[in-house]
Amino acid sequence: GAGVSQSPRYKVAKRGQDVALRCDPISGHVSLFWYQQALGQGPEFLTYFQNEAQLDKSGLPSDRFFAERPEGSVSTLKIQRTQQEDSAVYLCASRGLAGVNTGELFFGEGSRLTVL
Amino acid sequence: ILNVEQSPQSLHVQEGDSTNFTCSFPSSNFYALHWYRWETAKSPEALFVMTLNGDEKKKGRISATLNTKEGYSYLYIKGSQPEDSATYLCASITSGTYKYIFGTGTRLKVLA
Repeated sequence: GAGVSQSPRYKVAKRGQDVALRCDPISGHVSLFWYQQALGQGPEFLTYFQNEAQLDKSGLPSDRFFAERPEGSVSTLKIQRTQQEDSAVYLCASRGLAGVNTGELFFGEGSRLTVL
Repeated sequence: ILNVEQSPQSLHVQEGDSTNFTCSFPSSNFYALHWYRWETAKSPEALFVMTLNGDEKKKGRISATLNTKEGYSYLYIKGSQPEDSATYLCASITSGTYKYIFGTGTRLKVLA
């Protein structure tokens, strides 16, 4: 497709389960970001990739969170042993080479995770 | 200001009213300011990318201004329509980083 695609759109997990969220960015986009948006908050930075290199993972809240982008295109955000506080919308965004650092982000529709 | 702050958090206006909201951001090492519109069940979409002090941008009935010295941006909507109902997010980018720091958004509801 032409836009950023995220799956699943909705995920309900039992506390302690592992989940994997997928992001398919716009073809050719070098930069990929993951954000977490809790209820009533703005999107919070989690991690940033340039091609396959994870340049910043400072926003990952704990070592239960892991992200990868092995071939520089599709990215997966994995959350191990989910906790209730992990309930949020997880947004993926990509950005092309043009306008590096000032270029607009292209977002997916998000994956809404609910941990029971 | 250390964080990106938006006000008001939410507002309701009548169709045809004009409205505006504020985004405050750290003025030191400013690099760029983005505005996004996020409609329910859709993905956030970019409205404006602003980099220069005094910038004014316009897209239809929506416009934005930027003051990098004092660290604020205004978003204006003229003659609000129900389809303008959305959350409006701003994001600040600091020089030397690639992190887009988002505010909590302003939720606008336009009543027909």
